[in-house]
Amino acid sequence: QKEVEQNSGPLSVPEGAIASLNCTYSDRGSQSFFWYRQYSGKSPELIMSIYSNGDKEDGRFTAQLNKASQYVSLLIRDSQPSDSATYLCAPLRGNNRLAFGKGNQVVVIP
Amino acid sequence: EAQVTQNPRYLITVTGKKLTVTCSQNMNHEYMSWYRQDPGLGLRQIYYSMNVEVTDKGDVPEGYKVSRKEKRNFPLILESPSPNQTSLYFCASSNSGRIYNEQFFGPGTRLTVL
Repeated sequence: QKEVEQNSGPLSVPEGAIASLNCTYSDRGSQSFFWYRQYSGKSPELIMSIYSNGDKEDGRFTAQLNKASQYVSLLIRDSQPSDSATYLCAPLRGNNRLAFGKGNQVVVIP
Repeated sequence: EAQVTQNPRYLITVTGKKLTVTCSQNMNHEYMSWYRQDPGLGLRQIYYSMNVEVTDKGDVPEGYKVSRKEKRNFPLILESPSPNQTSLYFCASSNSGRIYNEQFFGPGTRLTVL
């Protein structure tokens, strides 16, 4: 099993719709989880962090965590063209080490 | 302005010619790390440092060296670069010892080894 798995393939959503991104992880010891956004050719930037089971909302973003199922997701509401990017799921391992998924590309269609 | 800087931003070199990519942060962070990013493989950690004089291997350390003589600097050294080290490299830093632990990334260095 891969350490971090994210849905394959780009996700195309119409402007104003909800984009839903999923991520599963294998390390049951992970306690903190991060979602990074990366525009093409740019560095990753943190958009959400979550470390308790349940939902966490921040503006148009909602992160959901289920440690029992080893599952974390990100919802982007009212998607905008500026949300077109690759979203990286990153559980925190021991020694402050992040394990990154390969990312989900989101394309918001005006 | 709080930031992580990397130099150079772009580098084209030839096989075997030693090079160093510098990384510096002004946030007094204990933790620093180097990643490489390749299409289809995502971000992979090369080396990390928990504090001055404390470094350890990440997931893909072969062919790389690092040092941490000062808290703010964490250079990445390629003693004998090879074409398979052509990649986009990111340096990152964060505070240590906290559950919430945002890693700040530098702008990236695009390296091509011919």
